[in-house]
Amino acid sequence: DSGVTQTPKHLITATGQRVTLRCSPRSGDLSVYWYQQSLDQGLQFLIQYYNGEERAKGNILERFSAQQFPDLHSELNLSSLELGDSALYFCASSPTGGGTDTQYFGPGTRLTVL
Amino acid sequence: AQKITQTQPGMFVQEKEAVTLDCTYDTSDQSYGLFWYKQPSSGEMIFLIYQGSYDEQNATEGRYSLNFQKARKSTNLVISASQLGDSAMYFCAMREDNFNKFYFGSGTKLNVKP
Repeated sequence: DSGVTQTPKHLITATGQRVTLRCSPRSGDLSVYWYQQSLDQGLQFLIQYYNGEERAKGNILERFSAQQFPDLHSELNLSSLELGDSALYFCASSPTGGGTDTQYFGPGTRLTVL
Repeated sequence: AQKITQTQPGMFVQEKEAVTLDCTYDTSDQSYGLFWYKQPSSGEMIFLIYQGSYDEQNATEGRYSLNFQKARKSTNLVISASQLGDSAMYFCAMREDNFNKFYFGSGTKLNVKP
């Protein structure tokens, strides 16, 4: 158990809908990262937050947005869902978000878009 | 160009033998971090080992060690005394400190045979 929690574990929804994925980092970690893992794209870095502020941006679509709240939990919002958004979404956390930080991953949320 | 290349989609190893998983990376950044993660069939991502670009010594963590060759831009994972529980996908990852980007390879599926 990494100490990172993600809810829900599974999510099934329809195209065009909007969903919110939630992540609580390990105790003491200030930085949160979001990743998408799909069969055709592999593991893709989406976005990183540090202490409430966006720090780095990867291959995140405009239909997706994220935020980190004062209590350091984070949410990833996915809107206008398409079939191709079906994937495993991971959240990871690290102490400072710095270069030597190790990221600890949550169990993931499996999103299925029908 | 691919940032992280794992050329072995799948590998077999006999239980109790050592195995090397290959990873090469591409970066112009002088400061970067290299990571290996394990993903069992249950889906979670488990951190294994880290190597910083300025580290002189190869990293070791229990049965895991890295063969870090900076000039060749390779960071191969060596698993000694393989166990059945080592059967999983293994991902190599890199963080570029200056660009603040994260990249994962496509993974190597390791099967440990009894």
